[in-house]
Amino acid sequence: GENVEQHPSTLSVQEGDSAVIKCTYSDSASNYFPWYKQELGKRPQLIIDIRSNVGEKKDQRIAVTLNKTAKHFSLHITETQPEDSAVYFCAAIGTGGFKTIFGAGTRLFVKA
Amino acid sequence: NAGVMQNPRHLVRRRGQEARLRCSPMKGHSHVYWYRQLPEEGLKFMVYLQKENIIDESGMPKERFSAEFPKEGPSILRIQQVVRGDSAAYFCASSPTSTAGNTIYFGEGSWLTVV
Repeated sequence: GENVEQHPSTLSVQEGDSAVIKCTYSDSASNYFPWYKQELGKRPQLIIDIRSNVGEKKDQRIAVTLNKTAKHFSLHITETQPEDSAVYFCAAIGTGGFKTIFGAGTRLFVKA
Repeated sequence: NAGVMQNPRHLVRRRGQEARLRCSPMKGHSHVYWYRQLPEEGLKFMVYLQKENIIDESGMPKERFSAEFPKEGPSILRIQQVVRGDSAAYFCASSPTSTAGNTIYFGEGSWLTVV
């Protein structure tokens, strides 16, 4: 089955700097890669996603890139703000197309 | 359009009791997923259901755990004879009825504490 690895597990940046979170997946048939943000005690919420027919997608300060050949995808947050502090999960839709498999999460701290 | 509804939000059970968690998907969604999140950990897939069918339960512990999604009413995740290690947040998610690659939307979660 699908396996998603995520790095780093913890990331601390200064306000205004950029943050990059990287993920790899194992199932070459995966074609959908969402990213979720989870604040403490809250539910995971979708922040951006990318499909396999696209290499990059941007939404204001957030961008995702996908390298299908290498089975890598990354989340880029620019001009970080304290409210970006949260746990971020990458995910991939595995074989069969319905089961979303999550990475272990990255705890992002943005220092003011 | 209400989101994914889960209840109870918080549940305390003594060891050996049963926990029953309920999930109503978003309107128009017929795919339901249950995930477990242990404290300070990630989201582990448990089970994927459609109405009256369990499609994939590869993440469910073999004993004490069961799930259903009846024709009428919410999906239910049932944990029998709870143990302390079952203490976790249980998130339900749903997706619409269409082809593969659909976004799943999470409910607010049910926090189970076993004392």
